[in-house]
Amino acid sequence: AQSVTQPDIHITVSEGASLELRCNYSYGATPYLFWYVQSPGQGLQLLLKYFSGDTLVQGIKGFEAEFKRSQSSFNLRKPSVHWSDAAEYFCAGYNTGFQKLVFGTGTRLLVSP
Amino acid sequence: DAMVIQNPRYQVTQFGKPVTLSCSQTLNHNVMYWYQQKSSQAPKLLFHYYDKDFNNEADTPDNFQSRRPNTSFCFLDIRSPGLGDAAMYLCATSRQGTYNEQFFGPGTRLTVL
Repeated sequence: AQSVTQPDIHITVSEGASLELRCNYSYGATPYLFWYVQSPGQGLQLLLKYFSGDTLVQGIKGFEAEFKRSQSSFNLRKPSVHWSDAAEYFCAGYNTGFQKLVFGTGTRLLVSP
Repeated sequence: DAMVIQNPRYQVTQFGKPVTLSCSQTLNHNVMYWYQQKSSQAPKLLFHYYDKDFNNEADTPDNFQSRRPNTSFCFLDIRSPGLGDAAMYLCATSRQGTYNEQFFGPGTRLTVL
């Protein structure tokens, strides 16, 4: 079955440090992958998406993600984290069979001073 | 700006008292979704509309109903809210054929007393 896994429930990063949030997918064909961010009490905002082509994808707010088919991964990165990046991050994949998004369980990012 | 709007942002109801949540969109997307999100969990799809075609998830309780009177509006009706229905309810839209890139509203936080 198609699935998305985020192995880290919580991550704490110092402000100014680099960030990498992990996402692994299980899909048969080319997956369509997304990263969303959710601030407390808010809806989900799309950070970036991968459909095909260049495996390094640039998003908003200085985020990027790299699609690695050999590792079945789509990790989110940011070179320097700001306190305002503290939020919940969801990786999601499009299940073409069921025609709906499959979400990972989310990673909560905490930013320490 | 084109967007997804949800009203109200906060809704308090009593146990068993029907409640309706509203979603509207100016994106002219033909697909609309309702998700339920409980604390520290990923969004859970309740149902979605492709144009006027209603698609219910198999595990969505009968207590939850939806209406889509036109392209722009979609409603979530909870006929007899229980304490377990307290959650954030998210509306999202997408354009069919765009690999399910979904745009989310800010959510309605439902409290059941």
